[in-house]
Amino acid sequence: QVQLVESGGGLVKPGGSLRLSCAASGFTFSDYYMSWIRQAPGKGLEWVSYISSSGSTIYYADSVKGRFTISRDNAKNSLYLQMNSLRAEDTAVYYCARGYPNDYWGQGTLVTVSS
Amino acid sequence: EIVLTQSPGTLSLSPGERATLSCRASQSVSSSYLAWYQQKPGQAPRLLIYGASSRATGIPDRFSGSGSGTDFTLTISRLEPEDFAVYYCQQYGSSPTVTFGGGTKVEIK
Repeated sequence: QVQLVESGGGLVKPGGSLRLSCAASGFTFSDYYMSWIRQAPGKGLEWVSYISSSGSTIYYADSVKGRFTISRDNAKNSLYLQMNSLRAEDTAVYYCARGYPNDYWGQGTLVTVSS
Repeated sequence: EIVLTQSPGTLSLSPGERATLSCRASQSVSSSYLAWYQQKPGQAPRLLIYGASSRATGIPDRFSGSGSGTDFTLTISRLEPEDFAVYYCQQYGSSPTVTFGGGTKVEIK
């Protein structure tokens, strides 16, 4: 069955960096667009970024553009999010999700940006 | 950026009642690219509807989507206890970027 497992979250100071990973299984990873979507505590969903199946098409939300970088390794069935210059407002659960629209989601990894 | 506005913010209903949730876009959204998600506390969202009116795999037929242009609706014909949750609309293809509505909470009256 389709599984998406995020990792790499944790506590980081403002201005710091973190790299999230999403391990995919149960489907042909290289066939699908993949996305990162976040949810601040008690708030709604916010789309962060998506990447096409080949990695040739990438878009970001304005709130993270220039600070976050999405990438994928189809040989490793993995999706990544490099997050730099982190701010308090980046605190959220980060979900990876498959497809366009997002038909499968991971359980999320919590990123907390605080001094 | 296309802004999606969901209303009402909270809907208080009893099991067995009909729920009607609205999603209004700031500019026209192709019907092919409007989705609805359900999220329960502590869980990841689940895709319910895509293409404005197509049910995702395994979604019961009490869930239906409709609409076009800037006005879209999610209808739950008869609320089951497990349907009390937060619902989000999403546009995912009318512009290069993706946006979510702010959500509607369906709570037990």
